[in-house]
Amino acid sequence: GAGVSQTPSNKVTEKGKYVELRCDPISGHTALYWYRQSLGQGPEFLIYFQGTGAADDSGLPNDRFFAVRPEGSVSTLKIQRTERGDSAVYLCASSPTGRGNKNIQYFGAGTRLSVL
Amino acid sequence: GEDVEQSLFLSVREGDSSVINCTYTDSSSTYLYWYKQEPGAGLQLLTYIFSNMDMKQDQRLTVLLNKKDKHLSLRIADTQTGDSAIYFCAEKVTGGFKTIFGAGTRLFVKA
Repeated sequence: GAGVSQTPSNKVTEKGKYVELRCDPISGHTALYWYRQSLGQGPEFLIYFQGTGAADDSGLPNDRFFAVRPEGSVSTLKIQRTERGDSAVYLCASSPTGRGNKNIQYFGAGTRLSVL
Repeated sequence: GEDVEQSLFLSVREGDSSVINCTYTDSSSTYLYWYKQEPGAGLQLLTYIFSNMDMKQDQRLTVLLNKKDKHLSLRIADTQTGDSAIYFCAEKVTGGFKTIFGAGTRLFVKA
């Protein structure tokens, strides 16, 4: 597609449930990032993929959060046993390459997750 | 750890210049960025500057970098109502792939 696509745009769930958030990066972009943006804050880094592998997952807050990118394109962020504090906008970004470059990232519109 | 700080609000009149300021902590950052976010939308890269530059100009945008003080600014000339948005300063962390963002400066442009 023309840009980074994230689905769903909104997700409402109940505390304790499992959710999956999907990101479709720009075709050909090898680098993919997940961020979490709470109200009034900037994006907070969660995880970075180069190709299929997670090169840096140091931003994942705990083991309830997991992300995959099995074929080096679409990525899924998975959150188990959701908590009210997980409510935020989850942003995905892709970049043509992640090694020694300008690291210019192209962002999707985000998924707004609300945990009731 | 790495940190990026920005003032939260700026209000200007249409036609005036806007200056948004940012300070960062990683003195070895290679790239610094300005992103714009409009309501309900993702972030859009406005401009970036490499750490060996002091200034970069791109149409109405001027970026100034003071490495000694770890200070970055974005000047928008002839500010328009369409420039109303949140502006994020960000730095690429040395030796890694992380980008650290500030909390954003909300720019209000009064007609």
